[in-house]
Amino acid sequence: EAGVTQFPSHSVIEKGQTVTLRCDPISGHDNLYWYRRVMGKEIKFLLHFVKESKQDESGMPNNRFLAERTGGTYSTLKVQPAELEDSGVYFCASSSVQGKYQETQYFGPGTRLLVL
Amino acid sequence: AQSVSQHNHHVILSEAASLELGCNYSYGGTVNLFWYVQYPGQHLQLLLKYFSGDPLVKGIKGFEAEFIKSKFSFNLRKPSVQWSDTAEYFCAVNRRTNAGKSTFGDGTTLTVKP
Repeated sequence: EAGVTQFPSHSVIEKGQTVTLRCDPISGHDNLYWYRRVMGKEIKFLLHFVKESKQDESGMPNNRFLAERTGGTYSTLKVQPAELEDSGVYFCASSSVQGKYQETQYFGPGTRLLVL
Repeated sequence: AQSVSQHNHHVILSEAASLELGCNYSYGGTVNLFWYVQYPGQHLQLLLKYFSGDPLVKGIKGFEAEFIKSKFSFNLRKPSVQWSDTAEYFCAVNRRTNAGKSTFGDGTTLTVKP
């Protein structure tokens, strides 16, 4: 079974540019999550999709971030325009619910974003 | 808001030493608990998880963790570390009522000297 994949693995852009990150979850996983780790700090939740619907986007830092999951399969996270503080590692995770309230998330390798 | 605290940012051990990494969380309700590991150049992998039942949980590669509800702790242990255990370890918690949204600690970098 293929794991969660993310593209690109690295991205270096200039402040003010736009970057789009992509996540392909494990096939059949309805839940998809985006997390971010900035400068060696904790991994922080950004948002949660259930199929194509946003279940929880309470962690999105501001309206420069736009996440989509058209068709309930892969997801994209667009940062427009990028700022210096957006640099970090963006992780995607997916899961299928194993039982009520029990859920194990499987993580992708992350996209390392550097904004100069 | 819930938070997760990992007490050590960097731990250095010699091979065969015993390991204990601390993790405390702040949420008072029912929680699910996880330890993840990220080996150099690899992605986050699940080491072990606790949902309910026996508070002593065994995971992969000889790791175990004990959930002590009264102390809000979920410490990770391994009796004898190997050089290959060199990695970064993350404790994570989510609320049973919102099982998707995980809160992570800052991570502990473990370096095992051969």
